[in-house]
Amino acid sequence: EDQVTQSPEALRLQEGESSSLNCSYTVSGLRGLFWYRQDPGKGPEFLFTLYSAGEEKEKERLKATLTKKESFLHITAPKPEDSATYLCAAETTDSWGKLQFGAGTQVVVTP
Amino acid sequence: DTAVSQTPKYLVTQMGNDKSIKCEQNLGHDTMYWYKQDSKKFLKIMFSYNNKELIINETVPNRFSPKSPDKAHLNLHINSLELGDSAVYFCASTRGGETQYFGPGTRLLVL
Repeated sequence: EDQVTQSPEALRLQEGESSSLNCSYTVSGLRGLFWYRQDPGKGPEFLFTLYSAGEEKEKERLKATLTKKESFLHITAPKPEDSATYLCAAETTDSWGKLQFGAGTQVVVTP
Repeated sequence: DTAVSQTPKYLVTQMGNDKSIKCEQNLGHDTMYWYKQDSKKFLKIMFSYNNKELIINETVPNRFSPKSPDKAHLNLHINSLELGDSAVYFCASTRGGETQYFGPGTRLLVL
């Protein structure tokens, strides 16, 4: 059965303290791995899509990487405005358009 | 100039009632989705429409009926509401099966 698991469930960081979030996936035929950010009371906001192992994408303090079994979202020198829940989702080649989400990692960055 | 919009934002209703949620996108996308986010923040796909045709229909009670009057609109009608239907419902849209963009969500509370 396809599965997407995120860890840790919650992460508390001091401003400037870099860290990584993990998204491990067990799916048959990955088409794409998506990262979203969700603020309280809002809809998920798209961050990155990764398609093949070894691919990396960056946006400001965020960098996403992909291996054959997992993806990491690295947050470098986070600021309080990076506080949010980060969601990853996998799309398979035989279920195009059907995103399977992990439960998310809630990140809190304190000044 | 909101990309994906939903109405209403909040919906409080009694068990047994029938209610509808509306979604509109002005991105020119051809595929729209409904997701349910439960109290544990887990996002799960319910339905998807491509050019007004139902293409994804997950295991959802048949009290839930999506309707797509045109490519820019996807509505969700729920009959005989139950306590367990309380959740946040998100609409999303995409073009050509690429990145899905989410609306702000409709918070449904069934009393």
